[in-house]
Amino acid sequence: SYELTQPPSVSVSPGQTARITCSGDALPKKYAYWYQQKSGQAPVLVIYEDSKRPSGIPERFSGSSSGTMATLTISGAQVEDEADYYCYSTDSSGNHVVFGGGTKLTVL
Amino acid sequence: QVQLVQSGAEVKKPGASVKVSCKASGYTFTSYGISWVRQAPGQGLEWMGWISAYNGNTNYAQKLQGRVTMTTDTSTSTAYMELRSLRSDDTAVYYCARLMTTVTTYWFDPWGQGTLVTVSS
Repeated sequence: SYELTQPPSVSVSPGQTARITCSGDALPKKYAYWYQQKSGQAPVLVIYEDSKRPSGIPERFSGSSSGTMATLTISGAQVEDEADYYCYSTDSSGNHVVFGGGTKLTVL
Repeated sequence: QVQLVQSGAEVKKPGASVKVSCKASGYTFTSYGISWVRQAPGQGLEWMGWISAYNGNTNYAQKLQGRVTMTTDTSTSTAYMELRSLRSDDTAVYYCARLMTTVTTYWFDPWGQGTLVTVSS
């Protein structure tokens, strides 16, 4: 079955740049999406179609994709950005939906 | 604004069924599908499937085939997810989300607040 692989945790100090990666064999052909989930809350879309930012999402959130890896970048991370981040995509057929295992971002 | 409001928490015994509702507002219900995603305690997100609110077409995760049924009621802009033969490992928060689609891909935005389903004897 298709898998997306994320690091379990990333830690940065406030104001630093946080980068969270997501690797998958179909990413050269399929878009990556990123969700932020704060403790006890529902996920929120922060990046769609590799690099597009929904309205209301701060400009410090950006996305990119190259080859089999997609990256979520938070430039100047804030304490309020502490959350679990999940990448999402489909396999090359588009029939199998998968979430990455999630990355816990700590900002302190 | 687009909003999805889910039904309240449920406690079920093993072998029982549960039906969770998701009422949509702020957009034309039949123009989008609804997807369901669950999250076991302390675990990641697991996609369960989706349903088209336009024509009722469904696509279920292979793991849940035969146990899950997704339906919609267009008169009330409400989607439903029923899971049967519940087991302890079905204990999770169940989320509905609006299904966003293009020709080549789909994603989920926004999400409901979640419904905790606890399966315990």
